[in-house]
Amino acid sequence: GAGVSQSPSNKVTEKGKDVELRCDPISGHTALYWYRQSLGQGLEFLIYFQGNSAPDKSGLPSDRFSAERTGGSVSTLTIQRTQQEDSAVYLCASSFAGLAVETQYFGPGTRLLVL
Amino acid sequence: AQSVTQLDSQVPVFEEAPVELRCNYSSSVSVYLFWYVQYPNQGLQLLLKYLSGSTLVESINGFEAEFNKSQTSFHLRKPSVHISDTAEYFCAVSQGTDKLIFGTGTRLQVFP
Repeated sequence: GAGVSQSPSNKVTEKGKDVELRCDPISGHTALYWYRQSLGQGLEFLIYFQGNSAPDKSGLPSDRFSAERTGGSVSTLTIQRTQQEDSAVYLCASSFAGLAVETQYFGPGTRLLVL
Repeated sequence: AQSVTQLDSQVPVFEEAPVELRCNYSSSVSVYLFWYVQYPNQGLQLLLKYLSGSTLVESINGFEAEFNKSQTSFHLRKPSVHISDTAEYFCAVSQGTDKLIFGTGTRLQVFP
């Protein structure tokens, strides 16, 4: 079946602009995660959605970052007033029920470059 | 708080040689441990995981990792690497919650 998809695959933007990154999880997966992969920082957790529960936003680096998940499926990560330090690969993952023992399936990522 | 340390940022090795990628974690409670691999121009994928039971876990492509509670380690090993094993390897921990805490990754470069 189809895996996790993300769009766009690459995004170049100017400092100060807003960007939206999209994630389509695997059908039937109730849990969705966003991570950020940047040089020198490795992989950092950003936010987690599980069903209708309130999202775990504990990893969001600033209030310029927000995310929503509509209808329990597609998610959008929004970065407002982008800064150069936001340049990174943004990864989305999903799992069936969000349990710690489950495998998370990752998308190919969106490479964001802020000029 | 949990953390994961991968001491080696890069590991160069010749084909058919053995390799060990080191991973240490810190946690005061039981954890689940994972190794993910990222091949060039591909997304992250699970290589193997330890949840409970036997401390030695294996992947389908010859990698194995051993959970050592006393040393808080989960090192990844392969007795004979192939060119196709060239990739970045990430160790991760989950403490019964949802999100994964990743190490900074180890780039394995296999030379012919």
